[in-house]
Amino acid sequence: AQSVTQLGSHVSVSEGALVLLRCNYSSSVPPYLFWYVQYPNQGLQLLLKYTSAATLVKGINGFEAEFKKSETSFHLTKPSAHMSDAAEYFCAVSRNTGNQFYFGTGTSLTVIP
Amino acid sequence: DAGVIQSPRHEVTEMGQEVTLRCKPISGHNSLFWYRQTMMRGLELLIYFNNNVPIDDSGMPEDRFSAKMPNASFSTLKIQPSEPRDSAVYFCASRNEPGQGAYQPQHFGDGTRLSIL
Repeated sequence: AQSVTQLGSHVSVSEGALVLLRCNYSSSVPPYLFWYVQYPNQGLQLLLKYTSAATLVKGINGFEAEFKKSETSFHLTKPSAHMSDAAEYFCAVSRNTGNQFYFGTGTSLTVIP
Repeated sequence: DAGVIQSPRHEVTEMGQEVTLRCKPISGHNSLFWYRQTMMRGLELLIYFNNNVPIDDSGMPEDRFSAKMPNASFSTLKIQPSEPRDSAVYFCASRNEPGQGAYQPQHFGDGTRLSIL
């Protein structure tokens, strides 16, 4: 079965500090991986996606994620947190078979001034 | 380009009433998803359409919920009769799935915040 695990339902960082949100996937074949962000009272917006072209993927708002097959991970990072980064972040995985998405349970990011 | 459009944005109604949520997917997208989001259960997939045909409705909670997609540009999610436990934010998402399209992301609407009193 396809799934993603997001470690840490809540993460707090100081403004200007490194942001690291963790995502691990289970898959017998390399999947396609996505990170979404959800701001309050809004829908989910695509931050970035991994489609096997490059293991380090750069997204919007200064975020990036690195696909590590050996660790089955796709962690999201940002060098310096901004107050506007406070939101819910979802990791998602997709495979060709079934054409379905599987979302993680989300990580709520708080940025402390 | 217009994104996924959902209406209404907010709905407050009394239990027992029929509720209809509407979604217009992005033009050209051939897959549509309905999700429900609550604090307790997170984001749940309710139903998935491909080329207007329901492919997976295993997430539909019970017979009170029904969804239709009469054409490529419109879908509805109906709850009849509604109950307080149906209170949630309901999202619609669409996606373009040409052939082996698993690399295509889903695009979400802003959701409908539903409150059943």
